[in-house]
Amino acid sequence: KQEVTQIPAALSVPEGENLVLNCSFTDSAIYNLQWFRQDPGKGLTSLLLIQSSQREQTSGRLNASLDKSSGRSTLYIAASQPGDSATYLCAVRRTSSNTGKLIFGQGTTLQVKP
Amino acid sequence: ETGVTQTPRHLVMGMTNKKSLKCEQHLGHNAMYWYKQSAKKPLELMFVYSLEERVENNSVPSRFSPECPNSSHLFLHLHTLQPEDSALYLCASSQYDRVTEAFFGQGTRLTVV
Repeated sequence: KQEVTQIPAALSVPEGENLVLNCSFTDSAIYNLQWFRQDPGKGLTSLLLIQSSQREQTSGRLNASLDKSSGRSTLYIAASQPGDSATYLCAVRRTSSNTGKLIFGQGTTLQVKP
Repeated sequence: ETGVTQTPRHLVMGMTNKKSLKCEQHLGHNAMYWYKQSAKKPLELMFVYSLEERVENNSVPSRFSPECPNSSHLFLHLHTLQPEDSALYLCASSQYDRVTEAFFGQGTRLTVV
């Protein structure tokens, strides 16, 4: 059974800091991993998708890495801003899934203080 | 705007009511999903429709009834719900047969009174 864990559950940093969010998964047989952002009471916004054959993906100030063998992914946010405050979710799609089903972690709630 | 639209955004219903949630995608995706997000819990998959056929049902109570009339529309029919069914219901779409991003709607915040 695939389980996804995100640590820490909450994080508060001053503006301008670089930070790392962690995601771990128990089954390394994944098809892809996706990072999302969720603002309070809203839906999910896709940030980055990493295919199983890739090691990292970058978009602006965001960089996501993937180490399948150790069952880990990290989301690096450079020069954090108050607008980055949100909950960040990682989700994996298993290789065995032929439906595109995603298995989610519980998220890391980030607060960036001005 | 993600290309996936959900209505209504908020819904309050009594335990004896019948209501429906609607989801629409114009991304050309061939799979649509309903997820449930309760407080303090990870998102849980409820149903998957692939090419308009239900391919996954994760032990969801029969008071939740999905419908997928075509590849762009997905409904979740609700009847005789319980207060513990109060949650954020999220619709998503993707290409099940390719490595593509899943896109989510803004969700329906459901409160059962």
